[in-house]
Amino acid sequence: EPEVTQTPSHQVTQMGQEVILRCVPISNHLYFYWYRQILGQKVEFLVSFYNNEISEKSEIFDDQFSVERPDGSNFTLKIRSTKLEDSAMYFCAIVRGGETQYFGPGTRLLVL
Amino acid sequence: GESVGLHLPTLSVQEGDNSIINCAYSNSASDYFIWYKQESGKGPQFIIDIRSNMDKRQGQRVTVLLNKTVKHLSLQIAATQPGDSAVYFCAENYSGGYNKLIFGAGTRLAVHP
Repeated sequence: EPEVTQTPSHQVTQMGQEVILRCVPISNHLYFYWYRQILGQKVEFLVSFYNNEISEKSEIFDDQFSVERPDGSNFTLKIRSTKLEDSAMYFCAIVRGGETQYFGPGTRLLVL
Repeated sequence: GESVGLHLPTLSVQEGDNSIINCAYSNSASDYFIWYKQESGKGPQFIIDIRSNMDKRQGQRVTVLLNKTVKHLSLQIAATQPGDSAVYFCAENYSGGYNKLIFGAGTRLAVHP
């Protein structure tokens, strides 16, 4: 059973549209992460979030991206104006048992 | 090996054989390493981890070996089963704590009956 659930499992959107991807941890966690994986490629770090603040972000995580923990439970990744190259699997991860990051099942985003 | 676009290196083994998957990591300051298994359409699944103060760690049917001198990590799977077929990624984490994971390119393991 995954440590987190993610919704939606699949999303198709038009280029330029905004999308919000959601991550719901099973129990309380302080550290959250978003990663993405373009089809057939390795998993890439996007952003880490601790204590309701961004602790680190990658070059991929530009001004089009934002993260929030709106209600103390859900953790969201927003892409303001999607581009074709944003098509990927997006994974949320949490830390349990020290440093180990556990991943959710992912959201497959397709930008047309 | 390195992946090029969609072409992951593939290791093909017979069911029951032992598998060894290799990974070269990038940062000599990395102090924590994890192997993940990813099945098609799913998220990375934790298999085993090792800290830099260890050379070897064993789990159930899996063993991770760490060679810091050459920055090399390997995953050994004993008595490989069809359910082991997946893409395997190594990941490194440096400066301890809860920093980002840096993933390797991945190796596809294909287990044949």
